[in-house]
Amino acid sequence: SAVISQKPSRDICQRGTSLTIQCQVDSQVTMMFWYRQQPGQSLTLIATANQGSEATYESGFVIDKFPISRPNLTFSTLTVSNMSPEDSSIYLCSAWDGSSYEQYFGPGTRLTVT
Amino acid sequence: RKEVEQDPGPFNVPEGATVAFNCTYSNSASQSFFWYRQDCRKEPKLLMSVYSSGNEDGRFTAQLNRASQYISLLIRDSKLSDSATYLCVVKPHGNQFYFGTGTSLTVIP
Repeated sequence: SAVISQKPSRDICQRGTSLTIQCQVDSQVTMMFWYRQQPGQSLTLIATANQGSEATYESGFVIDKFPISRPNLTFSTLTVSNMSPEDSSIYLCSAWDGSSYEQYFGPGTRLTVT
Repeated sequence: RKEVEQDPGPFNVPEGATVAFNCTYSNSASQSFFWYRQDCRKEPKLLMSVYSSGNEDGRFTAQLNRASQYISLLIRDSKLSDSATYLCVVKPHGNQFYFGTGTSLTVIP
């Protein structure tokens, strides 16, 4: 299994600012994903982080708002840009071990925008 | 139509009870199926994969019905520690995983 760490674990940010969330996996993984989870809701996929190329975004999410980097097979970042209170959520990084098809999650980043 | 649909519950059951959750999926070409457990304010964690022949892990039994496009999770002899949200996850071909909205379970003493 993969062990995933995220930082920061939580943050309170002001409207209009940006926050970059880091995700580190303890082993090389095939895929990395970024999800958002609103309180009491299920997970919504933001994008797939592709190593060495642009991320693949889901409908409703755009690169200008959520730029993503994945410079190697163990690390990715998600930036939440020009934040508004509607961006308050938990952001989860996950990794997919392609050999077993199991997906592992980081502990999440709890973001509050005031 | 959503890719994955679950009854959100909540299910409130007494200790020792047996409870079952169902989940339906829309893509008949889906290949892999999972149940995840998510505790309050925690990240989802894999509970078990679901195999075509069905599989059992202690008190937990998962089954797949491809003809009707649903998967199920049965929990026997419920424990207080089973209280959580259970997420159904379906993976069609490719890299996408689809999560259900989750079913909330509370086991009552």
